[in-house]
Amino acid sequence: KAGVTQTPRYLIKTRGQQVTLSCSPISGHRSVSWYQQTPGQGLQFLFEYFSETQRNKGNFPGRFSGRQFSNSRSEMNVSTLELGDSALYLCASSSYRGETQYFGPGTRLLVL
Amino acid sequence: AQKVTQAQTEISVVEKEDVTLDCVYETRDTTYYLFWYKQPPSGELVFLIRRNSFDEQNEISGRYSWNFQKSTSSFNFTITASQVVDSAVYFCALSLFSGGSNYKLTFGKGTLLTVNP
Repeated sequence: KAGVTQTPRYLIKTRGQQVTLSCSPISGHRSVSWYQQTPGQGLQFLFEYFSETQRNKGNFPGRFSGRQFSNSRSEMNVSTLELGDSALYLCASSSYRGETQYFGPGTRLLVL
Repeated sequence: AQKVTQAQTEISVVEKEDVTLDCVYETRDTTYYLFWYKQPPSGELVFLIRRNSFDEQNEISGRYSWNFQKSTSSFNFTITASQVVDSAVYFCALSLFSGGSNYKLTFGKGTLLTVNP
């Protein structure tokens, strides 16, 4: 079974731009969560989607948003990028809410 | 609120040594899951183990073993006869068992393990 895939793997943007990251979960998995990893703050939860609905959201500004499609694929969007948004963004999927989350390889975003 | 503490920031050992990674957690809930993930330099978080709060039985899987003690809120991870390929950052994480907004993973800061040949 293929694992979680994320695209793109690397991204360079400038301040003020917006970016969209994509995540394809493991086949059959319905829950997708997003996490941000930075050297200073570590791994922080962004949001979780299940059945196309956001079920949970972390403490991030409204510039961070996401959505889930009917095939469980998910996208996250960051608008008006700031230097502090430079991070590794990890997507995780699980078969159902509360089950073990399996992570993708991440998208490394650099904001200049 | 939940909290996970990994007091060891970095550990360096020589190949074949045993190494234990410490994890202490805080939660007021009585039902929860504990996890260990491994993050090699490539960046992907690799799932290692999940234990639920009802099951304090310790587990051994090959060179890996886990010691879960509710009395001390600890969930420690031991690698026996370490190998260079074990070099990675190891994360301990906690999630609550019940529904609502509780399925997110709360991670510790991670422990960087370097195994030298």
